[in-house]
Amino acid sequence: AQTVTQSQPEMSVQEAETVTLSCTYDTSESDYYLFWYKQPPSRQMILVIRQEAYKQQNATENRFSVNFQKAAKSFSLKISDSQLGDAAMYFCAYRYGAQKLVFGQGTRLTINP
Amino acid sequence: DGGITQSPKYLFRKEGQNVTLSCEQNLNHDAMYWYRQDPGQGLRLIYYSQIVNDFQKGDIAEGYSVSREKKESFPLTVTSAQKNPTAFYLCASSPYDFGQTYGYTFGSGTRLTVV
Repeated sequence: AQTVTQSQPEMSVQEAETVTLSCTYDTSESDYYLFWYKQPPSRQMILVIRQEAYKQQNATENRFSVNFQKAAKSFSLKISDSQLGDAAMYFCAYRYGAQKLVFGQGTRLTINP
Repeated sequence: DGGITQSPKYLFRKEGQNVTLSCEQNLNHDAMYWYRQDPGQGLRLIYYSQIVNDFQKGDIAEGYSVSREKKESFPLTVTSAQKNPTAFYLCASSPYDFGQTYGYTFGSGTRLTVV
């Protein structure tokens, strides 16, 4: 079964600095998708970024980018120029085809002013 | 605007009562999902449905029931058999297409408290 592991339960960063959240996963598939979701204090789940496994280029959305290492089964999220509004729980997720999304346990990110 | 509506936002249940959480979507998505989230924890899948009139158990289905009579609606009933129902419940939906992969769209959640 596919699993997703986030080894950092909590992270903190100074405002305006860069932080990287780690995620590893286990799968025997070759063509799948990976996602990062953000859950702010409102608890609304928001899609931050997604990556198709067949694409070698790392996905980027404004200040958010990923480092996708397919052979290592690693999918880290980099947040540049951290802002107070970035404070949230961040969940890494994996999906193969039409199967269910598999979530990691989450990383709580705190932004220090 | 298209989206998922969960109601109510807060719900209180007395011991021994069944309660139903509503989830409605107007995104024309085929698949719908229910997750439970405990404080500081990740999401655990309760039930999911990929087509009308069909649904499957997730990882923690005991004490819960669902129905999927309409594409737009996927209500979750928390029965008295669920011994620890106090949690945050999230509903999600997604297109269901073997040829494509999509992320989920989530509702804003229901906070259930046993009193």
